[in-house]
Amino acid sequence: EAQVTQNPRYLITVTGKKLTVTCSQNMNHEYMSWYRQDPGLGLRQIYYSMNVEVTDKGDVPEGYKVSRKEKRNFPLILESPSPNQTSLYFCASSLGGGAWETQYFGPGTRLLVL
Amino acid sequence: SQKIEQNSEALNIQEGKTATLTCNYTNYSPAYLQWYRQDPGRGPVFLLLIRENEKEKRKERLKVTFDTTLKQSLFHITASQPADSATYLCALYNNAGNMLTFGGGTRLMVKP
Repeated sequence: EAQVTQNPRYLITVTGKKLTVTCSQNMNHEYMSWYRQDPGLGLRQIYYSMNVEVTDKGDVPEGYKVSRKEKRNFPLILESPSPNQTSLYFCASSLGGGAWETQYFGPGTRLLVL
Repeated sequence: SQKIEQNSEALNIQEGKTATLTCNYTNYSPAYLQWYRQDPGRGPVFLLLIRENEKEKRKERLKVTFDTTLKQSLFHITASQPADSATYLCALYNNAGNMLTFGGGTRLMVKP
């Protein structure tokens, strides 16, 4: 089944403890991205990647890192999480980076930083 | 600055009626506009894409219009059903064409 998977689905952590949220897609998509969703602010893009080893900042990249060493994986790294990074996170992928491309979203990761 | 605006107030309609949701944008020159559906706690799901040279696009009970002069898209669900209750998001790529930005979404509630 074609899908985007994220792990973990739920995470409670403490301020400053490094964490990684994994994202994997099995559709051979070139474009991958991360969003966070907060009440009243909607979906905001954190980082995106047009292909392996090509990443760029989205609207809200501060406090996050990403890497794209393989086509299928696009992990989101929080080196020193803070409470304002408590949010619902979505990974997405598309065949290419064109404006006509359909985005496929993962199931989401709900993060609470205490 | 670039903005995508959707009515943040929930839209409540009766089953069987047509729901109409609005997406307005400023400072974009989009060649394409997308609509997604999102259920609570789940990732958005793609519904329809419309091109700038298409005035209207249909898919089953869904219809999307795209007016680049008014800078507006309308999303219609005809013969609405309670199962259509969800949040509907419109999305545009920025002018550089490398980043997809979503509107805040409009929550639709269809009552039996």
